[in-house]
Amino acid sequence: GIQVEQSPPDLILQEGANSTLRCNFSDSVNNLQWFHQNPWGQLINLFYIPSGTKQNGRLSATTVATERYSLLYISSSQTTDSGVYFCAVEREAGSYQLTFGKGTKLSVIP
Amino acid sequence: KAGVTQTPRYLIKTRGQQVTLSCSPISGHRSVSWYQQTPGQGLQFLFEYFSETQRNKGNFPGRFSGRQFSNSRSEMNVSTLELGDSALYLCASSMGSGGTEAFFGQGTRLTVV
Repeated sequence: GIQVEQSPPDLILQEGANSTLRCNFSDSVNNLQWFHQNPWGQLINLFYIPSGTKQNGRLSATTVATERYSLLYISSSQTTDSGVYFCAVEREAGSYQLTFGKGTKLSVIP
Repeated sequence: KAGVTQTPRYLIKTRGQQVTLSCSPISGHRSVSWYQQTPGQGLQFLFEYFSETQRNKGNFPGRFSGRQFSNSRSEMNVSTLELGDSALYLCASSMGSGGTEAFFGQGTRLTVV
C-alpha cells in the first residue's frame, strides 16, 4: 500500500515563529488532506489539497503531486496551534480510504 | 449545519464483551468511514459504507463489523473485546465520490479492562 511519511515528528516553537511541516507520499494520490487533532481527539480539517496551493489565515499548504509531497506552513504561531498535525491521502479514486502519516506533534511555547 | 456526531464519547468495557458505536454523518453525506487510532499503530482504516453497502475494508479481524442504515447513520460493532481494542474510534463522513473531502466526528474513546 501507499506510504505516507511526515516530518519532523516533533517540533517545539516559540510563539510568533514560523514553521513548515512536510508530508511525503510514495505513489500518486487522488486526495490529500491536512488535519489538526485537538486535545480531545477530534480531527479538524485544515486543507483539502490534492494539488496546488491554498491559504487560510496564518496557515497555507502546497501540494506538488508530481513530486509526491505536500507542505503545511504555519506563520506567527500561537499556543493554540499546539497539537498533532496529520497528513492523509486517498491512493486512488474508488478506494474510499484515507492513509494517514504518523503526524507531527507541534508544541508552541509562550 | 451539524457536523459528524459520534456516540457515546467514552466507554469502558470488560474483556470478552461486545460494544456498538454510532455515527451520524453530516446531512447529505452518504459515505461513512471508520478509523481506529492507537498510540502504537496510529490511525488505521477499518471500513467504509455508502448507501448501506460496504465498499472497502481494512485489515482488521472479523470481530470488527459495521453497517449503515437508510438514513446514512452507521454503527460499528466489536465482539469479544480484547485489551488491544482500547483506542479512539473515529468516524468520517463525505459525499461519497472518490476524492471528496472527509469530515471527522469527535470520536469514541473505548477502554477495555
